[in-house]
Amino acid sequence: EAGVVQSPRYKIIEKKQPVAFWCNPISGHNTLYWYLQNLGQGPELLIRYENEEAVDDSQLPKDRFSAERLKGVDSTLKIQPAELGDSAVYLCASSLVTAAEQFFGPGTRLTVL
Amino acid sequence: KNEVEQSPQNLTAQEGEFITINCSYSVGISALHWLQQHPGGGIVSLFMLSSGKKKHGRLIATINIQEKHSSLHITASHPRDSAVYICAVRSDQKLVFGQGTRLTINP
Repeated sequence: EAGVVQSPRYKIIEKKQPVAFWCNPISGHNTLYWYLQNLGQGPELLIRYENEEAVDDSQLPKDRFSAERLKGVDSTLKIQPAELGDSAVYLCASSLVTAAEQFFGPGTRLTVL
Repeated sequence: KNEVEQSPQNLTAQEGEFITINCSYSVGISALHWLQQHPGGGIVSLFMLSSGKKKHGRLIATINIQEKHSSLHITASHPRDSAVYICAVRSDQKLVFGQGTRLTINP
């Protein structure tokens, strides 16, 4: 069974440019998470989806970050415009339901120059 | 103060040594997870526990709910155990993560 797929794995952009990350969760998993992980820190939740509904986006900086999960499967996370402080690893995870074990993707390492 | 604190932050040991990583938390939880993260790789779940003790191969995880404390032990450590180990607690339908412990096992 395929795991959580993320692309790209690495992205380097200049500040003020837009960037988008894509996540394909494990088939059948209703809950999808986007996390941000700074160097030397644990992941921090940005947004949680149950099917296509964003049920927790309280930590998402909505002035520059947006996310969508059309049809309740794949999801994209967008930053526009990117700032230097956005350099981090962006992790996607999915679980069968919210209380179940989460499975993580390999992450996208973003570098903003 | 973080809701989940791990210690030590960094740990270097020789192959074969017994390793202990600690996790303390300050919130009510329904479960505690131990996760492993290799450099450049994703996060892999090692254990999920809500009471007592679990063992998988050379890894042992314990939790004391009353003291709000958990430990991850590695017996007969090996260089391939080198990774970041992260403690995460499930609280109010969210996972709250510790900052991780970077473990390096030298041959």
